[in-house]
Amino acid sequence: DVQMTQSPSTLSASVGDRVSISCRASENINTWLAWFQQRPGKAPRLLIYKAISLHTGVPSRFSGSGSGREFTLTISSLQPDDFATYYCLQNDRYPLTFGPGTKVDI
Amino acid sequence: EVYLEESGGGLVQPGGSLRLSCTASGFTFSDHYMDWVRQAPGKGLEWVGRIKHRSDGYITQYAASVTGRFTISRDDSKNSLFLQMNSLTTDDTATYYCARRATPGLTWDSWGQGTLVTVSS
Repeated sequence: DVQMTQSPSTLSASVGDRVSISCRASENINTWLAWFQQRPGKAPRLLIYKAISLHTGVPSRFSGSGSGREFTLTISSLQPDDFATYYCLQNDRYPLTFGPGTKVDI
Repeated sequence: EVYLEESGGGLVQPGGSLRLSCTASGFTFSDHYMDWVRQAPGKGLEWVGRIKHRSDGYITQYAASVTGRFTISRDDSKNSLFLQMNSLTTDDTATYYCARRATPGLTWDSWGQGTLVTVSS
């Protein structure tokens, strides 16, 4: 199975900060990487697919980069709605696997 | 508007069975692969399994943790997805989400609100 790791596990930031979250795959997954945001008590929400593509309706302050094994989610200017947990997902091969999550808090 | 609604969650004893349903609306259900994803209380997300659409033979794939115990099926005439869960253990306690796989990016662009399954004696 492809193992996914994320760093940091928790990120403390302020409104307006630029933040980056890293995701690493144990094997080459090309660009089959997605990012999801999850607020407490809510379903996950797709932000980025195929490593760099912004999902419809997602604010442009979110961006993704990377390929192969190393990926990054960047939020250019943190907004109050962005305080949440972020998960990366590899959808290159079965079983589909998530990273453990990064909690962004104040 | 795409809408997914899970139902069927509840309290079940270890070793018991439960069947979850997911009703879809707002899109052509039969055109999409559909997945189940779960989340144990306070934990991260775990993919449970997938059922492909008719064109791909309704093939199913499962996580190792549920293989042989869980079965995913669908009824395209009723826009419905199902998860039959047998031999449940306390490790299966989680909120279960159904999710639609979209063509761009081949990942989930729509999710239900989730249904909680609690396995406890």
